[in-house]
Amino acid sequence: NAGVTQTPKFRVLKTGQSMTLLCAQDMNHEYMYWYRQDPGMGLRLIHYSVGEGTTAKGEVPDGYNVSRLKKQNFLLGLESAAPSQTSVYFCASSRTGTGTPTQYFGPGTRLTVL
Amino acid sequence: AQSVTQLGSHVSVSEGALVLLRCNYSSSVPPYLFWYVQYPNQGLQLLLKYTSAATLVKGINGFEAEFKKSETSFHLTKPSAHMSDAAEYFCALSNFGNEKLTFGTGTRLTIIP
Repeated sequence: NAGVTQTPKFRVLKTGQSMTLLCAQDMNHEYMYWYRQDPGMGLRLIHYSVGEGTTAKGEVPDGYNVSRLKKQNFLLGLESAAPSQTSVYFCASSRTGTGTPTQYFGPGTRLTVL
Repeated sequence: AQSVTQLGSHVSVSEGALVLLRCNYSSSVPPYLFWYVQYPNQGLQLLLKYTSAATLVKGINGFEAEFKKSETSFHLTKPSAHMSDAAEYFCALSNFGNEKLTFGTGTRLTIIP
């Protein structure tokens, strides 16, 4: 199993450009998440999905859109990138059910917006 | 609203010394608590989690944490630090029926040879 993979690993954008980050998981998890990590701020939830075709806003959703057309994929889009979106982006997935499902994280995408 | 506070953004310990990383939480309902570790240029990896069973939780790599409700704490410890423990550590919280995690701001652990 590859677990959670993210594409690309690095990207540099100019202000106003758009891009899509791809997250894929092969664990048949229902739940998927997008976080951003900034120095001194920990990880903050951008958007999440509890199943194919459903998405919801997290703590910091402005400037981002997401789609979950297939269960194994969760896409994060930036329509018009801004320097404030320079960050490291992590995707995670977890199974559903009772208890406390563990979230499994991808290796991250480092995005710089100039 | 729930929150997680990690005291000390940077902690340095000598190799072989005790590691203590502090985490305090605020939650209006019983919490589930997690410690994750992030090695340089990698994603987060689960160290251990508290799910309302035993209050002393053992994790991977010799780490353990104790849930103390009266102190609203979930501090992470390891008796003897190893050079390979150098990483950033995150405490996180969720609740039953709410799989979203609330993270602390992280503690960077440096091991002094």
